[in-house]
Amino acid sequence: QQQVKQSPQSLIVQKGGISIINCAYENTAFDYFPWYQQFPGKGPALLIAIRPDVSEKKEGRFTISFNKSAKQFSLHIMDSQPGDSATYFCAAPRGDSNYQLIWGAGTKLIIKP
Amino acid sequence: DAGVTQSPTHLIKTRGQQVTLRCSPKSGHDTVSWYQQALGQGPQFIFQYYEEEERQRGNFPDRFSGHQFPNYSSELNVNALLLGDSALYLCASSLYQDFVTEAFFGQGTRLTVV
Repeated sequence: QQQVKQSPQSLIVQKGGISIINCAYENTAFDYFPWYQQFPGKGPALLIAIRPDVSEKKEGRFTISFNKSAKQFSLHIMDSQPGDSATYFCAAPRGDSNYQLIWGAGTKLIIKP
Repeated sequence: DAGVTQSPTHLIKTRGQQVTLRCSPKSGHDTVSWYQQALGQGPQFIFQYYEEEERQRGNFPDRFSGHQFPNYSSELNVNALLLGDSALYLCASSLYQDFVTEAFFGQGTRLTVV
């Protein structure tokens, strides 16, 4: 069964530091790679996404870096803040004809003040 | 705009029972998708409804069924509940063509099967 492998499972970063979360995927049928942010008791919310006609996309403190040959992409959070403490999920397209995303297992990020 | 609303927020059922979860999509959206999120896992796609028909389905058994009403709201039904069905059930709404890229999630229904 197709998988998206996300690491690390949990991450503790000091306020002001850089948080890095990685994702590896298998063959995909289309190109769209999002990151979602989920706070406790809430549903996931789209944070940032990339279509890999570019290798990097930046929105404020959040950057996606994409390596198509390695089938990997990562989320970088610069100047991490306590309000960034949440669970982050990557997702990647399925490799068959179904127009669906497969989600990683999530990374619980804690930013220490 | 109330966004995507789901009811109930929490539910406890006994193994073998049936359950119905409800979702009202964000105003202007015509497509509802349902996901199962087990504890410590990412969401898994169950199915998608558009124009009152199931359009796509993930790897879930027939015990999981759904319905979409003319006002675009939707229900998820699960029959013959198993302990393993305990999870957070998420509803996401979108326009049909934006189902992958522009989905908005509700807060979920936490189902516990005992």
